[in-house]
Amino acid sequence: SFELTQPPSVSVSPGQTASMTCSGDKLGNKYACWYQQKPGQSPVLVIYQDTKRPSGIPERFSGSNSGNTATLTISGTQAMDEADYYCQAWGSSTAHVVFGGGTKLTVL
Amino acid sequence: EVQLVESGGGLVQPGGSLRLSCAASGFTFSNYWMSWVRQAPGKGLEWVANIKQDEIEKYYVDSVKGRFTISRDNAKNSLYLQMNSLRAEDTAVYYCAREGKAVAATYFDYWGQGTLVTVSS
Repeated sequence: SFELTQPPSVSVSPGQTASMTCSGDKLGNKYACWYQQKPGQSPVLVIYQDTKRPSGIPERFSGSNSGNTATLTISGTQAMDEADYYCQAWGSSTAHVVFGGGTKLTVL
Repeated sequence: EVQLVESGGGLVQPGGSLRLSCAASGFTFSNYWMSWVRQAPGKGLEWVANIKQDEIEKYYVDSVKGRFTISRDNAKNSLYLQMNSLRAEDTAVYYCAREGKAVAATYFDYWGQGTLVTVSS
């Protein structure tokens, strides 16, 4: 079955660039998306179709996807960006959706 | 404004049943695939099931096949999840989510606030 792997945690200093990876077999052949989830809140879509930002998502959020790895990049990271981030892609014809295990982003 | 409001969660004994509902508003419900996604306490997101606009296609994660049934009523702008033979490992917050419309991509552009299901004796 198709699986997505994310590092459990990433740390970044305020104002610096945070990069979070998501790995899966030939993930670059699928579309990946990313969600931000803050404690006690529902997930929010921040990137879809590898690189697109929904309306209202700041320009500092960007995405890429190639080979076996999708990457979410936050430029000029702010304290408000501290959250859990989940990648997601289409899985298979019988199990449509797969999520990564999530990465906790700490801004310190 | 798109809104998804879940209801029906609660405490249920192992082996019991529960029916979740999701009331949708602010968009043409009948035009979208819809999904249920769950999150166990302190854990990550897990997709549970989805349903096509006309209900002809439905898909489930392996762990709930044969126990859960997803359905919808387009006239009532509502999504449902009938959960039978519940297990402790089904304990989670259950989110209703709308699937985006981009070609060849599956993603969730709107989420409800979630409803907590606790399976315990």
